[in-house]
Amino acid sequence: DTEVTQTPKHLVMGMTNKKSLKCEQHMGHRAMYWYKQKAKKPPELMFVYSYEKLSINESVPSRFSPECPNSSLLNLHLHALQPEDSALYLCASSLDEGDNQPQHFGDGTRLSIL
Amino acid sequence: AQSVAQPEDQVNVAEGNPLTVKCTYSVSGNPYLFWYVQYPNRGLQFLLKYITGDNLVKGSYGFEAEFNKSQTSFHLKKPSALVSDSALYFCAVRDANTGGFKTIFGAGTRLFVKA
Repeated sequence: DTEVTQTPKHLVMGMTNKKSLKCEQHMGHRAMYWYKQKAKKPPELMFVYSYEKLSINESVPSRFSPECPNSSLLNLHLHALQPEDSALYLCASSLDEGDNQPQHFGDGTRLSIL
Repeated sequence: AQSVAQPEDQVNVAEGNPLTVKCTYSVSGNPYLFWYVQYPNRGLQFLLKYITGDNLVKGSYGFEAEFNKSQTSFHLKKPSALVSDSALYFCAVRDANTGGFKTIFGAGTRLFVKA
């Protein structure tokens, strides 16, 4: 069992839909991350939140909108996605943004855009 | 620029034999190095890390890694492979000198352990 919980596990949506991915951790971690992973490729960083503030946006298109309501929750709002956005979306957390602690990953949301 | 290289797309080994998954790095200053494993339909799981100190690092599931500063390598090893070790392995580096928080992943190496 992972300590980072992501919902839903699978999501199929049309290009005009609006949906949200959710991530939750209760380890007291203060840094949370969103990654996009294509099949058999390494994760690509999208966003970093540190102490509930957005600290990094890796030039992600505005159709992806992150939100950190509190220190335990991280959302990714999706709108008007493209077929190439189909991927596994991974959430991760670490004790702090700048430390040497490992990241803890959820099992991801597998997103398919029709 | 910081980078991590995993020169092998795939490693095949027989069960019971030792395994090595290679990783080399290029960073400025002292690196923080990690190994992660990803099983099918799962997220990444932390195996071990090198921050400082002993060059031989022991981690989860019987894995270990040797940090070699002169060769800028951090190879993952296990004395006796199991079929259940078959997975995708990522080497990663965090650049501590610049205070950076980005984790840079290698391309990944797929390990197949044959019974």
